[in-house]
Formats: sequence, C-alpha cells, structure tokens
Amino acid sequence: RKEVEQDPGPFNVPEGATVAFNCTYSNSASQSFFWYRQDCRKEPKLLMSVYSSGNEDGRFTAQLNRASQYISLLIRDSKLSDSATYLCVGLTDSWGKLQFGAGTQVVVTP
Amino acid sequence: DGGITQSPKYLFRKEGQNVTLSCEQNLNHDAMYWYRQDPGQGLRLIYYSQIVNDFQKGDIAEGYSVSREKKESFPLTVTSAQKNPTAFYLCASSISPGANYGYTFGSGTRLTVV
Repeated sequence: RKEVEQDPGPFNVPEGATVAFNCTYSNSASQSFFWYRQDCRKEPKLLMSVYSSGNEDGRFTAQLNRASQYISLLIRDSKLSDSATYLCVGLTDSWGKLQFGAGTQVVVTP
Repeated sequence: DGGITQSPKYLFRKEGQNVTLSCEQNLNHDAMYWYRQDPGQGLRLIYYSQIVNDFQKGDIAEGYSVSREKKESFPLTVTSAQKNPTAFYLCASSISPGANYGYTFGSGTRLTVV
C-alpha cells in the first residue's frame, strides 16, 4: 500500500465552482503535510502547508483529519488557471523525507 | 533571486552511457534531494544529503550516484546500471532536514534513452 494515496481524477470543474478532494495517508507518525501544485511538465510548487487546525489561503482551504488519516483541499471560485495536478505530501520522519502522492488532476472549464 | 537551477533541461542518453545531471542552489539550504517522476506516479526519492560531504540512499538508489562536495551543488549521475532511466528528474532543497517548510524544486531535467 502506498503511504500517500490520491484519487487521480480528473475532476472537471466549471469556472467559478467549488471543488474538493482528499488524500489518505497510512503512516500515523507523519508529522506535517503539504499541498503542492504541478503544472504539466513543470516542477511542483508549494501551494500550502496543512495545519491540524486547518488553514486557508485565499480561495484555498486545507484540512487535516488525523483520526481518519486524510487531508483535504478545497478550491472555491475556481479559475481557469487552477487547472493543474495537486500533489499531497507528507513529512514522515525527522530528517525531512517527504512522501508524495501521485496527484489529483483538476481541470477547470469555461 | 535565490533558487535552484537544474541543467540541462533535456538530456538524451545512449545505452551503456553514464550521464550527469547538474543541480545548483543559492538558497543557503543545508538539505538537498533528488527525485524521479514517472507518468502517473508520485515522486520517488533517489538520494538525499543533509549536509556537505554526506549523502544517503533513498528508495530507488540503484543505478545512481551522487556527490556533495559543496553546499550549493548536488549532481546526480545516472549510470549504465540503471535499466530504465527515462524519466523526469527533480532536484529539491530545504532549509534544513525535517524543516516544516516543504521543499523548493528546480525546474527538472527530462532524460530519455535513445
């Protein structure tokens, strides 16, 4: 079983709509989590860190549920530029090893 | 501006050939990492280095080698022992191992075996 699992999608979202998706993790010792955004054939870029209390950055909201071992990302008022693959990432040990999910593809349509 | 520079952007390798991918950062980060990405898969860790002159194998180190002689540089050599090297290679750094700030990635090198 992979340590971080994501629904690959694609999630097809009309412009202006809200989309939400989760990722699950198997290592209960995972300390921190992140969402990265990756555009086609580009490097991943850090979107936001995920805190236990949940956090919001503009139209993006991330939540962590340690009891059920999942992380969620919600995008409100979707823009065409939000089309990308979103990578769920967990920090699993003290030296900084990150476990990457395979990504969830989001396609925002006009 | 600070960042990570990977070169070349595209690289073609013949069977049996060793090739070296460059990764340089001017962020003053202690930790550096090499990942490989294949279509439909998550990033997989090849090697990592927490400090100069030290590096450790990741999950898929076979057929690869690295060096960390300078803080700024972490080159990756793909040897002829790597049987399926065609992939997107990403170098990353973090301010320190275990930092809760995530990684900064370079723009990647696409390696193709011809």
